[in-house]
Amino acid sequence: DIQMTQSPSSLSSSVGDRVTITCRTSQSIGSYLNWYQQKPGKAPKLLIYAASNLQRGVPSRFSGSGFGTDFTLTISSLQPEDFATYYCQQSYSPPLFSFGPGTKVDIK
Amino acid sequence: EVQLLQSGAEVRKPGATVKISCKISGNTFTDYYIHWVQQAPGKGLEWLGLVDPEDGDTIYAEKFQDRVTMTADTSTNTAYMELSSLRSEDTAVYYCATAVRLGYCGSDTCHGWFDPWGQGTVVTVSS
Repeated sequence: DIQMTQSPSSLSSSVGDRVTITCRTSQSIGSYLNWYQQKPGKAPKLLIYAASNLQRGVPSRFSGSGFGTDFTLTISSLQPEDFATYYCQQSYSPPLFSFGPGTKVDIK
Repeated sequence: EVQLLQSGAEVRKPGATVKISCKISGNTFTDYYIHWVQQAPGKGLEWLGLVDPEDGDTIYAEKFQDRVTMTADTSTNTAYMELSSLRSEDTAVYYCATAVRLGYCGSDTCHGWFDPWGQGTVVTVSS
């Protein structure tokens, strides 16, 4: 089974900061990696699909990159509404559609 | 615009069964897979499985295989997730979500992404 890790597990940043979150998988998954944002008490929201494709309606300050086992979500200039928990998700191999453990982004 | 509306909160005793609904509007019901995701309090996201409304086929996560049943009613555009033999660790928010079909989808591989999601249904298991 594929194992997924995210780093860091949490971070504190200021508005305007550049933020980078990493997701690693235990075996290659090509570009079958998605990113979601979840705010407290709300359902997750799709940000990036297939590693680097910005979902319609998502601000362009969000970007994704990577292939194989190493992936990155970048927020180029953190905004107040971006404080949330971010999850990566693989859609390649069992356990199907498994999620990373999450990265919580809060205010410094 | 596709919208998913889930049924309300449920409270069950250990050993009981719960059935949650997810009504989908704004798209062609059979064009999408419907997935279910569990989130225990303060924890991450765990995929439970999917149902294909076109033919009723299902794929379940191994962890839940023996206790979960997913169905889809094309006459009402509603998907259902039933979880049996409930225990305290099943206390969680359960989400449905849709995913566009992307070629082959089987138990060994099934590509795609989840968008949109339902608002979530809280299930509390307590004696």
